[in-house]
Amino acid sequence: RKEVEQDPGPFNVPEGATVAFNCTYSNSASQSFFWYRQDCRKEPKLLMSVYSSGNEDGRFTAQLNRASQYISLLIRDSKLSDSATYLCSGESSGAGSYQLTFGKGTKLSVIP
Amino acid sequence: NAGVTQTPKFQVLKTGQSMTLQCAQDMNHEYMSWYRQDPGMGLRLIHYSVGAGITDQGEVPNGYNVSRSTTEDFPLRLLSAAPSQTSVYFCASSSPHRGLGNTIYFGEGSWLTVV
Repeated sequence: RKEVEQDPGPFNVPEGATVAFNCTYSNSASQSFFWYRQDCRKEPKLLMSVYSSGNEDGRFTAQLNRASQYISLLIRDSKLSDSATYLCSGESSGAGSYQLTFGKGTKLSVIP
Repeated sequence: NAGVTQTPKFQVLKTGQSMTLQCAQDMNHEYMSWYRQDPGMGLRLIHYSVGAGITDQGEVPNGYNVSRSTTEDFPLRLLSAAPSQTSVYFCASSSPHRGLGNTIYFGEGSWLTVV
């Protein structure tokens, strides 16, 4: 079982809609979590970090639920430019080791 | 600020050939890693390094070698290319601070086709 799992989609939503992605993780030792955005034929880029208290950046809200081991990303008032693949990731570190594991990505298409 | 630079961007290899994908970062990051990305499979970790002289295997290390002789460089070697290694390869680097999280920076990717 992959350490980080997410619904691959695709999610096809109209402009202005609110869309939510969820991601579950199996490694309870994971310490930090992130959402990345990847455009077609480009490298992933950090969208936002995820904290237990939840964090908001404009139209984007990320939430971490450690008890249930999932993270979420909410996008409000979707724009055409939000069309991309969204990757969740979990980070774990220990003595002499460090790993960042990614989910397979969720594809979002915002339709005019 | 160059960030993470990986070369080549595109490469076609014949089965059995060897080659090296180069990766360099100028941010003095301790952590560097190589991922491959295939349709429907997401990013899968090949090898990673937590510092110069230290490397370790990721999820899919077979057929690949790495070395980390300097902090800046982390080349990925394909020993004997196979069609199953046709993929997009991403090099990444970061400076993890335990418990605080950090940003991982990716190179622009290398598109490799093995025929």
